Amino acid sequence: EAGVTQSPTHLIKTRGQQATLRCSPISGHTSVYWYQQALGLGLQFLLWYDEGEERNRGNFPPRFSGRQFPNYSSELNVNALELEDSALYLCASSLERQGGDTQYFGPGTRLTVL
Amino acid sequence: AQKVTQAQTEISVVEKEDVTLDCVYETRDTTYYLFWYKQPPSGELVFLIRRNSFDEQNEISGRYSWNFQKSTSSFNFTITASQVVDSAVYFCALSESGGGADGLTFGKGTHLIIQP
Repeated sequence: EAGVTQSPTHLIKTRGQQATLRCSPISGHTSVYWYQQALGLGLQFLLWYDEGEERNRGNFPPRFSGRQFPNYSSELNVNALELEDSALYLCASSLERQGGDTQYFGPGTRLTVL
Repeated sequence: AQKVTQAQTEISVVEKEDVTLDCVYETRDTTYYLFWYKQPPSGELVFLIRRNSFDEQNEISGRYSWNFQKSTSSFNFTITASQVVDSAVYFCALSESGGGADGLTFGKGTHLIIQP
């Protein structure tokens, strides 16, 4: 069974540009989560999508947004990029929208903002 | 609010030694879930174990074992007879009940170095 996949592996942008990151969950999983792993800040919860709806977001500004498609894949958009947005962005999926459901992670997209 | 503390930033041991990674958590919920993930240099987080707050039984999986103690709010992870392939960053994480609303709360991670 294929795991969570993410694309691209690496992304280089300049300040002010927009970045789009993509994630495909494990087959059968309906919930998708996005996390940011920035140097010195650890892993922080960004967004949670389930059944096509944004269910919750972490403490991030509105320029971090995304969506979930009917096939449960997801896209994370980061507008007006800032240098501090440079990080590894990890996507995870879970079978159900239950608290405590195991989240399985993809390999991540490393975003570099110059 | 929930919090996870991994006080050990980095641990270095020689191969075949046993090593324990500490995890202390804070939560107001009576129903919660604890996890351990491994992050090798490739970056992908690999799921190791999930425990709910009502199951305090210790678990052993091969060389890995976990000690969950609600009385001290700890969920420690021990690797027996460590191997070089165990070198990675290990994260402890907490999820409270309520529909996965806040995602996982992670500790800062412990960088484990196993020297040959």
